[in-house]
Amino acid sequence: DIQMTQSPASLSASLGETVTIECRASEDIYSNLAWYQQKPGNSPQLLIYDANNLADGVPSRFSGSGSGTQCSLKINSLQSEDVANYFCQQYNNYPNTFGAGTKLELK
Amino acid sequence: EVQLVESGGGLVQPGRSLKLSCLASGFTFSNYGMNWIRQAPGKGLEWIASINNNSSFIYYADTVKGRFTISRDNAKNTLYLQMTSLRSEDTALYYCARHFRMAITHNWFAYWGQGTLVTVSS
Repeated sequence: DIQMTQSPASLSASLGETVTIECRASEDIYSNLAWYQQKPGNSPQLLIYDANNLADGVPSRFSGSGSGTQCSLKINSLQSEDVANYFCQQYNNYPNTFGAGTKLELK
Repeated sequence: EVQLVESGGGLVQPGRSLKLSCLASGFTFSNYGMNWIRQAPGKGLEWIASINNNSSFIYYADTVKGRFTISRDNAKNTLYLQMTSLRSEDTALYYCARHFRMAITHNWFAYWGQGTLVTVSS
């Protein structure tokens, strides 16, 4: 199975800051990676697919990059509504696997 | 608007069975692969099963293989998860999710339901 190592586990940042979350795969997943945002009490919502494509309706301050074994999610100009848990997911192989998540809080 | 509504969760004793349902609307159900993903309380996400549009391809996580069965009824726009031999570690919020496109491989979870809670306890 492909292991997804996500870092950091938690992150505290100020409004307007830029934050980056990393995801490392245990083997090459090409660009078969998605990022999801899960706000407290809600189901996950798709942010990014194919490593760098923004899902419909997602603000442009979110962006994804990388391929192979290393991908990242960047949030520019952090807003209060971005407080959430963020998960990466590889879909290159079954079983599809998720990173353990990053909890983003406001400083 | 795509809607996925899960039901069937509840409190069940270890070793017993439970069947979850996911009613889909807002899209042509028979054109898309569907999935079950779970989240234990306060924990991360775990994919557990996928089924393609016509039930000809099915995948399971090792943690549920042999105990859980994913199925679908395209006439009823409904996805199912039959769970048997339940264990305490199966306690989780179970989400139904739709793939972005028809293919079951190299595909992400574009739409999620709100989940149904399964608690396995004596």
